[in-house]
Amino acid sequence: AQSVSQHNHHVILSEAASLELGCNYSYGGTVNLFWYVQYPGQHLQLLLKYFSGDPLVKGIKGFEAEFIKSKFSFNLRKPSVQWSDTAEYFCAVSSGGYNKLIFGAGTRLAVHP
Amino acid sequence: DVKVTQSSRYLVKRTGEKVFLECVQDMDHENMFWYRQDPGLGLRLIYFSYDVKMKEKGDIPEGYSVSREKKERFSLILESASTNQTSMYLCASSFDPLEWGQMNTEAFFGQGTRLTVV
Repeated sequence: AQSVSQHNHHVILSEAASLELGCNYSYGGTVNLFWYVQYPGQHLQLLLKYFSGDPLVKGIKGFEAEFIKSKFSFNLRKPSVQWSDTAEYFCAVSSGGYNKLIFGAGTRLAVHP
Repeated sequence: DVKVTQSSRYLVKRTGEKVFLECVQDMDHENMFWYRQDPGLGLRLIYFSYDVKMKEKGDIPEGYSVSREKKERFSLILESASTNQTSMYLCASSFDPLEWGQMNTEAFFGQGTRLTVV
């Protein structure tokens, strides 16, 4: 069965610090990869997604992620975080039909002013 | 804007009650999903549906059933609620990637229903 691992459960940063959140998945075939974000009290929303092509994907709000097939990884990055990035971040993978998403456990990011 | 609407934000039910969680989407999506979200476990798929009256079990279907009588509506049913079903329940919908292509497979989520079973 597919699985998704997010290495950091809680991350605390100061504003302007750089961010990298790790994500590894277990499936060896063709996958689609996603990062979702959940701001406090809000619904889950898509940050970025990878299907094919350029392995460096740019998303909303200055986030980007790099797909490294040989490492089964899809790490999320942002060069300079803001207080408003405080949220929970979820990595997810889908494969095959129906677009079923398998999620990681999530990473809670707290950014201090 | 795509809207996925869940009928309740908060519910409190008693052990043994039959509970219905309702979800409606307005984008004519083929696929609909029910997840539960628990701290430290992320989101886990309970059931999904790829067409009216069609359903498939997800990873944790025990204790749950679903109903999809109309394309826009997907209901999650707890036949006899138990305290270990206290959780946040999220509904999602998306186009079918096999019909619309992988680029159009973003899943849209509702606000969630926080269910407490006492």
